[in-house]
Amino acid sequence: QLQLQESGPGLVKPSETLSLMCTVSGGSINNGRYYWVWIRQSPGKGLEWIGSIYYRGTAYYNPSLKSRVTMSVHTSSNQFSLKLTSVTASDSAMYYCATAVPTLWYFDLWGRGTLVNVSS
Amino acid sequence: QSALTQPASVSGSPGQSITISCTGTSSDVGTHDLVSWYQQLPGNVPKLIIYEVTKRPSGVSIRFSGSKSGRTASLTISGLQAEDEGDYFCASYGGSSNLLFGGGTKLTVL
Repeated sequence: QLQLQESGPGLVKPSETLSLMCTVSGGSINNGRYYWVWIRQSPGKGLEWIGSIYYRGTAYYNPSLKSRVTMSVHTSSNQFSLKLTSVTASDSAMYYCATAVPTLWYFDLWGRGTLVNVSS
Repeated sequence: QSALTQPASVSGSPGQSITISCTGTSSDVGTHDLVSWYQQLPGNVPKLIIYEVTKRPSGVSIRFSGSKSGRTASLTISGLQAEDEGDYFCASYGGSSNLLFGGGTKLTVL
């Protein structure tokens, strides 16, 4: 059964780059069945889609974050990653990785999330 | 594109039915049958409960149902139970490879 696990630093300084990894277990990241997704949730707030990436590298990003976001797939380690540059306090959130069925845009499997705080 | 619009809160008594609305535009909810709903119980990860407007994933109670009319999608929970209390989020494909979430609705079971 496919499982996702986020990892990364819980504290990032303002203006620096937030880097997170999602480890996929129970299946291969390059089986072509899913898009690999990042979603975040600010404390007490709603959900925000960050972006989705296919194992071949095709990526789609939220237009409001596009200039600061890079997602990558690491097939050798069965992981995918998120980099968000020039972070501010407003980027503090719970970050979830998830799966999406291609072209159907719903998220059927979620990791447990990792909390990131942006603070000096 | 702005987030989809949901009521901040709804409430109901056990056994009753409630409906949560999710209003978008002609570019997202009004055009694409790619609306999904997520349940987030206190302290838990969001869980998919409805996809493609009306479909239920395996294992999700038949008490949850989805519909859409024009620019507004709706989630109905029938036979309300105390365990349904939590936050509910809608999402819709927004065109141009973009995905929008609603602001979320807090459901209180009285």
